Amino acid sequence: EAQVTQNPRYLITVTGKKLTVTCSQNMNHEYMSWYRQDPGLGLRQIYYSMNVEVTDKGDVPEGYKVSRKEKRNFPLILESPSPNQTSLYFCASRPGSSFVYGYTFGSGTRLTVV
Amino acid sequence: KNEVEQSPQNLTAQEGEFITINCSYSVGISALHWLQQHPGGGIVSLFMLSSGKKKHGRLIATINIQEKHSSLHITASHPRDSAVYICAGSQGNLIFGKGTKLSVKP
Repeated sequence: EAQVTQNPRYLITVTGKKLTVTCSQNMNHEYMSWYRQDPGLGLRQIYYSMNVEVTDKGDVPEGYKVSRKEKRNFPLILESPSPNQTSLYFCASRPGSSFVYGYTFGSGTRLTVV
Repeated sequence: KNEVEQSPQNLTAQEGEFITINCSYSVGISALHWLQQHPGGGIVSLFMLSSGKKKHGRLIATINIQEKHSSLHITASHPRDSAVYICAGSQGNLIFGKGTKLSVKP
């Protein structure tokens, strides 16, 4: 089944403790992206990647890192999480560099930083 | 002003009603996406449009490029259609509207 898999689904952590949220897709998609969703603010892009070893900042990149060493994986790293990073996170992928492809989203990761 | 605006923000309907959710955008886009997010969080892509109209079951999406406007219609609405519907313009990356929360009562 074609899918984007995020792990974990739920995570509660403490301020300052480094964490990684994994994202993997099995569709050989070139483009992958991370978003956060907050009440009243909607979905906002954190980072995206057009292909292996090519990443770029989205609208809200502060406090996050990403890497794209393999085509299928695009982990989101929070080196020193803070409570304002408490949010619902989504990974998504789409084929190609063209803008007119549909997106496949992961199931989401609900992160709470205390 | 947001680049992608949706209306209404909240919508309550009775089962069986015809529903319309509107999306207007102020920037150039190559495609317009409609997404569905059920309670519990997962996001599903419903439609991607660059012109005209698409239909899938009871869902219909239209776009008017000249007016920079898209609509999502649900015919014969059902409680299982209760969800947040999000439109997003594609400009390389996605520019999201804030979503429309739909509640369909039995």
